[in-house]
Amino acid sequence: EFVLTQSPGTLSLSPGESATLSCRASQRINSDYLAWYQQKAGQAPRLLIYGTSRRATGIPDRFSGSGSRTDFTLTISRLEPEDFAVYYCQRYGDSLEFGQGTKVDI
Amino acid sequence: EVQLLESGGGLVQPGGSLRLSCAASGFTFNTYAMSWVRQAPGKGLEWVSIISGTGHATEYADSVKGRFTISRDNSNNTVYLQMNSLRAEDTAVYFCVGGFYYMYYFDFWGQGTRLTVSS
Repeated sequence: EFVLTQSPGTLSLSPGESATLSCRASQRINSDYLAWYQQKAGQAPRLLIYGTSRRATGIPDRFSGSGSRTDFTLTISRLEPEDFAVYYCQRYGDSLEFGQGTKVDI
Repeated sequence: EVQLLESGGGLVQPGGSLRLSCAASGFTFNTYAMSWVRQAPGKGLEWVSIISGTGHATEYADSVKGRFTISRDNSNNTVYLQMNSLRAEDTAVYFCVGGFYYMYYFDFWGQGTRLTVSS
């Protein structure tokens, strides 16, 4: 069974700080088919990153993705007030799976 | 502007049925794979089902296989999710989502429709 594990569960930070979110896969992800989504309270998720490191249209460059094989990272530099949200990683291609989410909290 | 407007949610008794609809606009509908993703109260995201742009290919999560059926009407830019034999654990907000490639990431999301399965 394929599982994506995100850590930490909650990240408590202040505006202006940087956030590092981890997503670990139980099996190697082929072709870097890993995406990240942001979900603000009461809203639908939106695509941030696909292909491990490619920013979706309109996503500011303070969001960056990296990683390979089984270990992936979303970095948010210089947190803005609107960045406090829940972030999900997703494997695609072979199957569609989400991690359980990381909440970035003030 | 891309818009996905879900409808059809509500309160259903266990064992009952319901059909969700998603009306799409602002993009070439028949070139996009469409999915349903759900989120139980206070929980994370769970992919439910996907249908290819032509409608010829579909996939389902194990949790709904045999109970849910996804379909689409490309003449009316609408995707559906027929849900039968509903269980309490199907209670969630159901999001309609679109992706250019089948079994790929999701480019855009609707605002969701809420399903509650309870007696």
